[in-house]
Formats: sequence, C-alpha cells, structure tokens
Amino acid sequence: NAGVTQTPKFRVLKTGQSMTLLCAQDMNHEYMYWYRQDPGMGLRLIHYSVGEGTTAKGEVPDGYNVSRLKKQNFLLGLESAAPSQTSVYFCASSYIPRGPAWETQYFGPGTRLLVL
Amino acid sequence: AQSVTQPDIHITVSEGASLELRCNYSYGATPYLFWYVQSPGQGLQLLLKYFSGDTLVQGIKGFEAEFKRSQSSFNLRKPSVHWSDAAEYFCAVGASLAEAGTALIFGKGTTLSVSS
Repeated sequence: NAGVTQTPKFRVLKTGQSMTLLCAQDMNHEYMYWYRQDPGMGLRLIHYSVGEGTTAKGEVPDGYNVSRLKKQNFLLGLESAAPSQTSVYFCASSYIPRGPAWETQYFGPGTRLLVL
Repeated sequence: AQSVTQPDIHITVSEGASLELRCNYSYGATPYLFWYVQSPGQGLQLLLKYFSGDTLVQGIKGFEAEFKRSQSSFNLRKPSVHWSDAAEYFCAVGASLAEAGTALIFGKGTTLSVSS
C-alpha cells in the first residue's frame, strides 16, 4: 500500500513549456485534490475531484487544467508554464466519511517545480 | 471568509521543554480543525483533528490540541519536545466545497527549531 504518490519529484521548465504532474492513490479514495505551496503562504487549493470523470476549480485554478479519467489518478497540467507557477505541488486524497465524521486528507510527498 | 492565523512564524524550543503552537481560525459554522506536520522535503502528515465532542484532542507523536470556541483557537501542545520534532507545523480548517469534499484552509505555518 503506497498511499499517495506523485510523479515527478522535481522538474525544471522554461517559460511557455507544458507538463503534466501525475498523482496516484491506491486507497480507493473518491476525492482527490491538488494544492500548491509557496513560501509564507501555506497551501492553497488549485483543483479538486469528487469522483472519476469529475473536476472542479479551487481557490487558484488559473493556468492549470486537471483530469480524472481513472479513479486512482488525478493529473495536473500546465499548458504554458510561467515563473509564477514555480512552487511545490501537493496532491491529496480522501474517502467519503461514513456517519458523523469528517474526511481526512492524505498527502503525497510533493513535486517541486521550477519555471525559468 | 474562512481563514486560519498562525501568529508565530518561527519558534525555538529546548529539547525536553514544553511546546505550544498557536492557531486562530475564522469560520462561520462549527469548524473542523486539523494540525499537520511537514518535515523538510517531505509531504504533510496529519497529527490530529477535531470534529466534535471532547475539546481536548490527542494525536500522534505525543501531541495534543485544545479547541476553545470562545477564543476561536486550536492550539497544539506537547509536554516534552524531542529533536525529531523540528519541522513546519500547519493548522487548517476544513471548509465544505460546492461540489462535495473539503477544502483545507491552511495557516501560513510555524517553523519549529529544537535546540540541545
């Protein structure tokens, strides 16, 4: 049981290049999230998905697209990278709580992206 | 709007001394509160969470937190700090999303250093 994994761990891009970050979870979780972490800012939600084939915008969605074609995978795409997208990207997943409970998000190790 | 404030950016504690990290939140309804820890170069690990019930919550690694509604606070404590506790600590409040699921609203984090 690997939990939440992210690929790649680190990437350097030039302005205008595109790339896709992959998040995979093996816990059969319904919900998946992409956050970005910037110094002194904490984490902010980019996009999320509440099930296979569904996605929605979070707090800072501009410049990113996502897809959830398979339940276990959540992809984050940058079509034309900008220096402002230099950040650490975290994926998280969670299950739908049963009964009087609240969901707990499990985080991946992060992808460090540098855009020059 | 929901928000989380961690007033202390950086704290240094001697090994073996007690620790208290402060967290204040702003949320209209009953808050769902979390503390996460992030070691250098690592992802986020859940320390504890408050959903309802007993306002003193026990977590992993000997941490506890107390929810005080009157003060809008959820401070994290540990009676005796170990050098391995040096990390960044994030307080977060869970906010329901329009589709379903939860956005975690994070504070900016408190960096804990442990001196010998």
